[in-house]
Amino acid sequence: DAKTTQPNSMESNEEEPVHLPCNHSTISGTDYIHWYRQLPSQGPEYVIHGLTSNVNNRMASLAIAEDRKSSTLILHRATLRDAAVYYCILTPRGSGGSNYKLTFGKGTLLTVNP
Amino acid sequence: DGGITQSPKYLFRKEGQNVTLSCEQNLNHDAMYWYRQDPGQGLRLIYYSQIVNDFQKGDIAEGYSVSREKKESFPLTVTSAQKNPTAFYLCASSTRQGRGTQYFGPGTRLTVL
Repeated sequence: DAKTTQPNSMESNEEEPVHLPCNHSTISGTDYIHWYRQLPSQGPEYVIHGLTSNVNNRMASLAIAEDRKSSTLILHRATLRDAAVYYCILTPRGSGGSNYKLTFGKGTLLTVNP
Repeated sequence: DGGITQSPKYLFRKEGQNVTLSCEQNLNHDAMYWYRQDPGQGLRLIYYSQIVNDFQKGDIAEGYSVSREKKESFPLTVTSAQKNPTAFYLCASSTRQGRGTQYFGPGTRLTVL
């Protein structure tokens, strides 16, 4: 399985943008890039996903490098409710048993200062 | 509102007892999953089901059992054979096409005394 590398922790101030990086140098051409976040004592929450092009939704933006070996999750204005662990996960396209598993690493712990 | 519910939120059991964790979804998703999370760790897949009356073992299925008799429900039984059952258990669902986009329930924290 292709792996991702994220910083252990990052800090931001409220109402400022946050850029959370993820390296995935061994990504295959058919892997999607998914981002999830998990607040303390809660289940993970889907944030956004993409394949090649940059993506925007109501929660965040996803910027994908041209060679797809890295991506950045962008929170445009951090709030205290955005404090969570953020996970960058590669998910293969196609069928097969292993494609049903989300492999969560340690993720990035985002602290938002008031 | 569509979503996934898990009950109870906290569960305490004595060692040697079987316990069943509930997971219900009204998202009309075909696929459902059970994960386990230990403190400071990522999620590990226990079982998954792609369709009613079918399920597959994940990475850590030993000591667990599941059933999928209805599309909406995917209960997990933690048996006495599970050596370290104390953990945070998470249920998720997805469409069959969107396997990477899984929607999670709030979790059940199981403590075995």
